Amino acid sequence: SQQGEEDPQALSIQEGENATMNCSYKTSINNLQWYRQNSGRGLVHLILIRSNEREKHSGRLRVTLDTSKKSSSLLITASRAADTASYFCATDTGGFKTIFGAGTRLFVKA
Amino acid sequence: SQTIHQWPATLVQPVGSPLSLECTVEGTSNPNLYWYRQAAGRGLQLLFYSVGIGQISSEVPQNLSASRPQDRQFILSSKKLLLSDSGFYLCASSNLLADRTDTQYFGPGTRLTVL
Repeated sequence: SQQGEEDPQALSIQEGENATMNCSYKTSINNLQWYRQNSGRGLVHLILIRSNEREKHSGRLRVTLDTSKKSSSLLITASRAADTASYFCATDTGGFKTIFGAGTRLFVKA
Repeated sequence: SQTIHQWPATLVQPVGSPLSLECTVEGTSNPNLYWYRQAAGRGLQLLFYSVGIGQISSEVPQNLSASRPQDRQFILSSKKLLLSDSGFYLCASSNLLADRTDTQYFGPGTRLTVL
């Protein structure tokens, strides 16, 4: 089964609202990353949070990590239509592989 | 940062035909390289990864194979395509030693349709 699982699977909001996506994982991690994918394109790295960090910010993005609950959240504030995309969490457990979740599809209505 | 090139962007192939997808990397040396497949609206399935020239690890048993003839070249192949091979194929690169993170950089992908 997937190491990382995003919730919700799909999210539709109005422009200007905040969007929150969650990710749960099963095993211990070194770090957790969030990626974005526009339809039909490759993934783009957004932000990385290490296992000893609890919160990280990058522009309108805020990521939290709770290792006791094995979960992370991605908050996009003041969303824009251009934020419409799929968002994936990915976990690094120390091997050569990063394991990606199934993603949350975000649709921001203008 | 790393730049990943993939081609072709789209490909339509008949069942039973061969396949060769190429991926090249710029901006780094001795990267880890990955091939993923993504079904429509789904997550990424890791197919192969490589930590060096000629070193390939397969994650999923299938009729696909991968090769790394040069440090920054990664090729995905098949001798005979199946309908189930249709999907979106993504190549990615990471370099933990150089970047101090395992952040992956992705190519634009190849949309493969097997008919």
